[in-house]
Amino acid sequence: AQTVTQSQPEMSVQEAETVTLSCTYDTSENNYYLFWYKQPPSRQMILVIRQEAYKQQNATENRFSVNFQKAAKSFSLKISDSQLGDTAMYFCAFGYGNKLVFGAGTILRVKS
Amino acid sequence: NAGVTQTPKFRVLKTGQSMTLLCAQDMNHEYMYWYRQDPGMGLRLIHYSVGEGTTAKGEVPDGYNVSRLKKQNFLLGLESAAPSQTSVYFCASSPLDRMSQPQHFGDGTRLSIL
Repeated sequence: AQTVTQSQPEMSVQEAETVTLSCTYDTSENNYYLFWYKQPPSRQMILVIRQEAYKQQNATENRFSVNFQKAAKSFSLKISDSQLGDTAMYFCAFGYGNKLVFGAGTILRVKS
Repeated sequence: NAGVTQTPKFRVLKTGQSMTLLCAQDMNHEYMYWYRQDPGMGLRLIHYSVGEGTTAKGEVPDGYNVSRLKKQNFLLGLESAAPSQTSVYFCASSPLDRMSQPQHFGDGTRLSIL
């Protein structure tokens, strides 16, 4: 069975600084996708970034980038120039077939 | 441009009562999903559907039933609510080619069972 582990229950960062959220996963699948979702206090689930497992190049979306290490089964999220609006719960998710498996989440607090 | 709409947004039930949560999507997506979110556990899949008239069990299906009579709607039912079903419920949908397209989520339903 696929599992996703986020080892940091909570993190904080000063505004304008950089922070990295960790995610590891376990799978025997070869063809899969990885996602980071953001859940602000409004409870919406917002897709932040997506990575295809067959692509070696790390995905980037503006201030958000990932470090995808397929052999190590690691998928970390880096947020640059952190903003107060980045305060949220962040979920790492593993996608295979037609299902998503989520990690337990990391609460990120951006301080002014 | 509604996307995925969940009804209701909040509900309080007494143990043993029944209710149905409604999910509607206007994107013509084939796949629909029901998740529950509990503190410290992320989202867990309850049931899902790969098309009109089809449903399948997810990771935590016990105590729930679902129906997909119309492509745009996916209903989640609790026949006899229990306090352990207190949670936030999310519905999601995705196109046929799910692996390359992310799931679109509704805004969630907070359900409390007393």
